[in-house]
Amino acid sequence: QSVLTQPPSASGTPGQRVTISCSGSSSNIGTNYVYWYQQLPGTAPKLLIYRNNQRPSGVPDRFSGSKSGTSASLAISGLRSEDEADYYCAAWDDSLSGPVFGGGTKLTVL
Amino acid sequence: EVQLLESGGGLVQPGGSLRLSCAASGFTFSSYAMSWVRQAPGKGLEWVSAISGSGVSTNYADSVKGRFTISRDNSKNTLYLQMNSLRAEDTAVYYCAKGDGIMVTPYFDYWGQGTLVTVSS
Repeated sequence: QSVLTQPPSASGTPGQRVTISCSGSSSNIGTNYVYWYQQLPGTAPKLLIYRNNQRPSGVPDRFSGSKSGTSASLAISGLRSEDEADYYCAAWDDSLSGPVFGGGTKLTVL
Repeated sequence: EVQLLESGGGLVQPGGSLRLSCAASGFTFSSYAMSWVRQAPGKGLEWVSAISGSGVSTNYADSVKGRFTISRDNSKNTLYLQMNSLRAEDTAVYYCAKGDGIMVTPYFDYWGQGTLVTVSS
């Protein structure tokens, strides 16, 4: 049981816009930044979004993050086949004194 | 170019010990917090432990507290994870990950390729 809650799966067709939600509490998302990671099959995770809505250099602007209260969302616009991957949200948890991850969302591009 | 190379994984019996290493290059190692994150087969990511750039401050997930010890040797640019009293549920790929500053945050901008630890009799 992960501290942050994500839907186990999401899907979309090429060109579509999809969103992935991440729900937490006042001890994590409610008071701290949210981060998003993309994990392609068989590879290590890659930082996609940091500090709620910032993109590292090299990450396309098709990826965007937002946060409201104790929830956050990752949006992917102009969906492409190479976006098929697992996506994880993360945040610092004040009660646990460490980072916590969501359970992950498997994105399928139909 | 930043590189993180884990080693030390393998098969170990329940109750046994293992030490993982992560050799870092391409950045000023002592200036960055480092973490270990694991992924059980077919499961999601779980943060395990972190250490500040100086090595003074350490954090552990409740699931490994008292059994695992994180450390670093800044003169060798190497991160370690000593794992004792291993259990079947510790079976996972263990990644080392670089932070964004001296203190620990959920920001991990570089990851190693991972090393597999299997706990089984």
